[in-house]
Amino acid sequence: GENVEQHPSTLSVQEGDSAVIKCTYSDSASNYFPWYKQELGKGPQLIIDIRSNVGEKKDQRIAVTLNKTAKHFSLHITETQPEDSAVYFCAASKANTGFQKLVFGTGTRLLVSP
Amino acid sequence: DVKVTQSSRYLVKRTGEKVFLECVQDMDHENMFWYRQDPGLGLRLIYFSYDVKMKEKGDIPEGYSVSREKKERFSLILESASTNQTSMYLCASSLWPRARNTGELFFGEGSRLTVL
Repeated sequence: GENVEQHPSTLSVQEGDSAVIKCTYSDSASNYFPWYKQELGKGPQLIIDIRSNVGEKKDQRIAVTLNKTAKHFSLHITETQPEDSAVYFCAASKANTGFQKLVFGTGTRLLVSP
Repeated sequence: DVKVTQSSRYLVKRTGEKVFLECVQDMDHENMFWYRQDPGLGLRLIYFSYDVKMKEKGDIPEGYSVSREKKERFSLILESASTNQTSMYLCASSLWPRARNTGELFFGEGSRLTVL
């Protein structure tokens, strides 16, 4: 089955710096890659996702890149702000199975210091 | 806004007790999920349900069962709680297949279970 590895487990940056979180997946048939943000005391919330037919996707300060050949994808946050502090999870699944078998990475705790 | 409500935020149970975790969603979603979240292990799928009375095992179903008698409600059952089931449990629902372009999961705030 699918296995998703995520690095780093913790990441500390200064406000205004960029942050990059990387994930690798094992199943070449996976074609849907979402990223979730979990704030303290809350459930994870989708922040951006990408399909395998796209190499990059941006939404304001957040971008995700995908390298299908190497089977890795990354989350990029620019101009970080203290409210970006949270735990981030990457995930992978196959869209044609209804996303039901979403496999998550182990999470990255991002701390943005003012 | 989609709302997924988990009835208990914190529970403390004894080993061997039967535990019910309840989850309700208000958006008429077909799919509902139960995940377990542990530090360093991420989120792991226990069970999911794609329709009333329909269920499918996830990656770690051992020691758990589920019930979906109504579309809006999905319950996780620990028949005989053990200390290794101490964890954060997250319920989620999704709009697929009604919205075929998105696999977005909508999560509840979690139920933290401690088994003594």
